[in-house]
Amino acid sequence: EAGVTQSPTHLIKTRGQQATLRCSPISGHTSVYWYQQALGLGLQFLLWYDEGEERNRGNFPPRFSGRQFPNYSSELNVNALELEDSALYLCASSSFLGLSNQPQHFGDGTRLSIL
Amino acid sequence: TQLLEQSPQFLSIQEGENLTVYCNSSSVFSSLQWYRQEPGEGPVLLVTVVTGGEVKKLKRLTFQFGDARKDSSLHITAAQPGDTGLYLCAGWNSGGSNYKLTFGKGTLLTVNP
Repeated sequence: EAGVTQSPTHLIKTRGQQATLRCSPISGHTSVYWYQQALGLGLQFLLWYDEGEERNRGNFPPRFSGRQFPNYSSELNVNALELEDSALYLCASSSFLGLSNQPQHFGDGTRLSIL
Repeated sequence: TQLLEQSPQFLSIQEGENLTVYCNSSSVFSSLQWYRQEPGEGPVLLVTVVTGGEVKKLKRLTFQFGDARKDSSLHITAAQPGDTGLYLCAGWNSGGSNYKLTFGKGTLLTVNP
């Protein structure tokens, strides 16, 4: 089975620009999660989508937003980019049933660099 | 805010040595997961522990969930260079509207041949 795929692999932007990151979950998974992995800070939870709805969001400003499409793929949008947004953005998917016991299957991430 | 503290942050050992990584919190978690992440890749699940006091073994890796479901440990016996990577613990909160997986900052393990 195909794993979680993320695109692009690398993205270089300048301050103030907007970035769009994409994620395709494993077939049959309805939940998609986004995390930010910045140096020294570990994985920080950004957003969780299931069945097209935002189920929870982490402690990030509103310029971080996203959506989930009918085919369960997802986009993460970051507006008004700041230098501290430079990080690896990871997407994960899982089955919704028995959520807390399900593994989250991660993609290999999008490396976002802000110049 | 639920936090998971991992220790040590960095660990460099020789092949064949044993090691233990700790994951501690003041909060109770409904379950706790351990992941390993290698450079350039996303984290991969190693194990999920659910019951307080639970012990799970995965070849040379032994995982334990604390009785109060607030802490966990990962013990590796006879470490090998292939065990090198970032080990992350992650806990699901025990309910409420803020349902999410909280990650520790990780333990970066280097096993030297």
